[in-house]
Amino acid sequence: GAVVSQHPSWVICKSGTSVKIECRSLDFQATTMFWYRQFPKQSLMLMATSNEGSKATYEQGVEKDKFLINHASLTLSTLTVTSAHPEDSSFYICSAYTGAEAFFGQGTRLTVV
Amino acid sequence: GENVEQHPSTLSVQEGDSAVIKCTYSDSASNYFPWYKQELGKRPQLIIDIRSNVGEKKDQRIAVTLNKTAKHFSLHITETQPEDSAVYFCAARFQGGKLIFGQGTELSVKP
Repeated sequence: GAVVSQHPSWVICKSGTSVKIECRSLDFQATTMFWYRQFPKQSLMLMATSNEGSKATYEQGVEKDKFLINHASLTLSTLTVTSAHPEDSSFYICSAYTGAEAFFGQGTRLTVV
Repeated sequence: GENVEQHPSTLSVQEGDSAVIKCTYSDSASNYFPWYKQELGKRPQLIIDIRSNVGEKKDQRIAVTLNKTAKHFSLHITETQPEDSAVYFCAARFQGGKLIFGQGTELSVKP
């Protein structure tokens, strides 16, 4: 099956710093990439939708200036959490969409201390 | 709006019994409904999906039914085993291809 690689799998950062998470589709081109956030014992909440070469579309309540998304190619999307705070600690998961199927990355456990 | 409701939030069954999880969705234009199993700290794993042109799909002990008129779909697991214990999520595809997830069901299968 299609492989989506997400890195890092976990990261600990200091409050106020920025963290970049990468999501790559290894053996297919993704027309669209989705970014989700999942707090403990909760569902996956869609944060934003990104299409290659265009600005991301953010869901209501998600700060676009805090969660910067770049989708420079059909195989790579990045999410940068800027000026991270402890409340940003969460599990972030990307999903690459081919137009027919969606494939998930391994997820990134972010802890802000 | 774009919404998926899932029930129950927790479900405990005895090994060998059946488990049923139900979801409803808001947009009649949605045409794809996957079910995922997620183990702690891992990515969701697709276990079965159904498209809007069929009413039922089976894969061994797992089946999914879809009622387009009522906008609801259900996951059925028969002959449950302890290794079926996990959190299960339903999802529906909305405009632009985005998957919106239900709240999740924590299934516990007791030996």
